[in-house]
Amino acid sequence: KAGVTQTPRYLIKTRGQQVTLSCSPISGHRSVSWYQQTPGQGLQFLFEYFSETQRNKGNFPGRFSGRQFSNSRSEMNVSTLELGDSALYLCASRVGVGTGELFFGEGSRLTVL
Amino acid sequence: AQSVTQLDSHVSVSEGTPVLLRCNYSSSYSPSLFWYVQHPNKGLQLLLKYTSAATLVKGINGFEAEFKKSETSFHLTKPSAHMSDAAEYFCVVSDRAGGTSYGKLTFGQGTILTVHP
Repeated sequence: KAGVTQTPRYLIKTRGQQVTLSCSPISGHRSVSWYQQTPGQGLQFLFEYFSETQRNKGNFPGRFSGRQFSNSRSEMNVSTLELGDSALYLCASRVGVGTGELFFGEGSRLTVL
Repeated sequence: AQSVTQLDSHVSVSEGTPVLLRCNYSSSYSPSLFWYVQHPNKGLQLLLKYTSAATLVKGINGFEAEFKKSETSFHLTKPSAHMSDAAEYFCVVSDRAGGTSYGKLTFGQGTILTVHP
């Protein structure tokens, strides 16, 4: 069974640009969550989607957005990039909201110059 | 509201000696608790989980954790450390029923485990 797949794995952008990250969950998993990981702030929850609807949301500005498609694949978008957005963005899937453990992808490492 | 505190940001052990990574939690409802491990530049991997069955939970790679409700703790242990255990470990709490945080997972700040030869 294939795991959680994130693309791209690495990317470099400049301030002011926007970026879209993609996540394909484990087959049969309908919930997808996104996390930002930085050395200073640790792991921070961005949002969780289930059945194409945002079910939980962290404390991030509106520049961070996401969506989920009918096949459960998810994308997150960051607009007007800032230097502080440099981070490892992790996607995780689970069967449903409130149903146990997350399975993580290997992450997309974003560097903003 | 739920929260989790990992009491040590860094733990250093010698190979072959026991490992103890400490975690305290706060939860308004019956919690689920997890330990994850992250190796450099990798995603997080589930080590073990507690979901109200046996209080002593065994996980992968020889790790185990004991749920102690009276102490609100969920410490991770391993009898004998291996060099490959060097990584960052995260304790996670989730409210299993009720409340506005239902299904939401809260991560600790992580404990970096160093294993010396």
